[in-house]
Amino acid sequence: DGGITQSPKYLFRKEGQNVTLSCEQNLNHDAMYWYRQDPGQGLRLIYYSQIVNDFQKGDIAEGYSVSREKKESFPLTVTSAQKNPTAFYLCASSIEGSGSPLHFGNGTRLTVT
Amino acid sequence: GENVEQHPSTLSVQEGDSAVIKCTYSDSASNYFPWYKQELGKRPQLIIDIRSNVGEKKDQRIAVTLNKTAKHFSLHITETQPEDSAVYFCAASIRGLTGGGNKLTFGTGTQLKVEL
Repeated sequence: DGGITQSPKYLFRKEGQNVTLSCEQNLNHDAMYWYRQDPGQGLRLIYYSQIVNDFQKGDIAEGYSVSREKKESFPLTVTSAQKNPTAFYLCASSIEGSGSPLHFGNGTRLTVT
Repeated sequence: GENVEQHPSTLSVQEGDSAVIKCTYSDSASNYFPWYKQELGKRPQLIIDIRSNVGEKKDQRIAVTLNKTAKHFSLHITETQPEDSAVYFCAASIRGLTGGGNKLTFGTGTQLKVEL
């Protein structure tokens, strides 16, 4: 189903805990992205990576961290420094960098209480 | 950075009517404009995209128009059907920007409801 797997679908954490969201793709795409979706705010870019071992901050990177040790994997850690972590998180990939269609995963809904 | 505004936020149409969603962008360097459809609880899926070297693109009941001078682009859905009900997002980015990645900037979405 699209070749991008996000897990888990639902995630619950206590405030103050770090949590890592998984994203794996088997599309052989070079570029991977993390977006956050909140009601009425569209999708906002957290981090993106065009190549293994390299990544850049998006528009709302504060309180998040990523790694890109393998082409297939781009995990996102939501740290305790993120003030409003409850949201729907979408991972995406594309063949190349700019101007290529994004293929999204099914998302992870994170709830922090 | 790029700013994309999308209107309306909600749109109700009768089955068979047309629906139009409009977006404006701020960065004149933007040259790639995709549209995504997101059904409830599902991932966004690309339905159509347009690049700045063309003014219009059609795919069956869906069309997108681009006015580079005015910096706006629109999604047109004709003969709407209940299965068209979803949230639609427009986006803009600069294609070919070395090292820039695909930094798509999304609009805030339009909830389309097609009523029987």
